[in-house]
Amino acid sequence: DAGVIQSPRHEVTEMGQEVTLRCKPISGHNSLFWYRQTMMRGLELLIYFNNNVPIDDSGMPEDRFSAKMPNASFSTLKIQPSEPRDSAVYFCASSHPGTGDEKLFFGSGTQLSVL
Amino acid sequence: DAKTTQPPSMDCAEGRAANLPCNHSTISGNEYVYWYRQIHSQGPQYIIHGLKNNETNEMASLIITEDRKSSTLILPHATLRDTAVYYCIVRVGGDYKLSFGAGTTVTVRA
Repeated sequence: DAGVIQSPRHEVTEMGQEVTLRCKPISGHNSLFWYRQTMMRGLELLIYFNNNVPIDDSGMPEDRFSAKMPNASFSTLKIQPSEPRDSAVYFCASSHPGTGDEKLFFGSGTQLSVL
Repeated sequence: DAKTTQPPSMDCAEGRAANLPCNHSTISGNEYVYWYRQIHSQGPQYIIHGLKNNETNEMASLIITEDRKSSTLILPHATLRDTAVYYCIVRVGGDYKLSFGAGTTVTVRA
């Protein structure tokens, strides 16, 4: 298995532009998570999907952020318009719940720089 | 979820065992202890988890005290590639939330 695949690996954009981050979870996993990591705040959970349905989006910072999961093998995190304070590493993770001790598998992340 | 306390950093000699402590004095009976690590520029990686009993896998061993208020992650023979930030997390079984703290930055020196 290739693991969780994220693209792009790096993204540099200008303030005000739309940014779309992509994630392909591990096949068979039905839970998907988006995390953001900054030096100041560490790793923060942004949103959690189960069976393609958003269950908890309380971590999404503001309306400029949106996430979708149109099918079991693809998810996007969109920022529109982007701001410099959105600069961070964004991680996608997936897991296969049902055992009570689920492990999360993380992708390599997208390093976002908003100028 | 119960909070955890870890030392901010520690050094370890290559080839020696690394013992990483974690305090979780408010842990509940249904909360597991998880360990993840994050090597520079990579996503966090699962290491091991346990509820009450000590656990061992190919990566590490987890020792949980009898009262479950603290635990120790043991890397038996540390290598330079084990240099990373190690996170100790407590989480209710079946709960989706995994909350990362600051972790312990472990530096393995040759």
